[in-house]
Amino acid sequence: DTEVTQTPKHLVMGMTNKKSLKCEQHMGHRAMYWYKQKAKKPPELMFVYSYEKLSINESVPSRFSPECPNSSLLNLHLHALQPEDSALYLCASSQVLGGTGNTGELFFGEGSRLTVL
Amino acid sequence: GQNIDQPTEMTATEGAIVQINCTYQTSGFNGLFWYQQHAGEAPTFLSYNVLDGLEEKGRFSSFLSRSKGYSYLLLKELQMKDSASYLCAPQTGANNLFFGTGTRLTVIP
Repeated sequence: DTEVTQTPKHLVMGMTNKKSLKCEQHMGHRAMYWYKQKAKKPPELMFVYSYEKLSINESVPSRFSPECPNSSLLNLHLHALQPEDSALYLCASSQVLGGTGNTGELFFGEGSRLTVL
Repeated sequence: GQNIDQPTEMTATEGAIVQINCTYQTSGFNGLFWYQQHAGEAPTFLSYNVLDGLEEKGRFSSFLSRSKGYSYLLLKELQMKDSASYLCAPQTGANNLFFGTGTRLTVIP
């Protein structure tokens, strides 16, 4: 099983709503990531979890709240978002860098396309 | 901080060879990835270089010079399906992967 599964695929929300994006992988990876991607731009790193602990927060506004309940799951809680937060949100996972033959290659999910009205 | 530079767009003819360059300045460096991303899809892994030199994988090759902060992706025998964005991604620390601006390649008949 080499899949990273993201739900929902599409989400439309108002600025006062609270919603969550979910990501799941069963490859035994202990690093998980959230990226944000706007149209015709590269993915921007938001958060990195390593061994279920937040290791990187790239100065993301607090209206985005990540959570890693266990080694297979990664959530992104959304609250009071702005229209400019509309984007494709990509989840990825990888082995933690350092093992023999381990490159830390990222495996991406198909993304959750978020529209904030 | 990270500074990763790639050409924004390139056009090449079916059957030809194209080279996509990437220069980078990063805080720390482990290795460099190239990813391919078709419109509306997730990025997929193409190559990884950790040592200087050329890594060949079928029609795709990737080169790295650590001392120069430089890499390129070489695509041979271009096919229409190679039209996509190509993302250069230096790995700057334990599991830190930042993407360059990406190069949108258009292959024309």
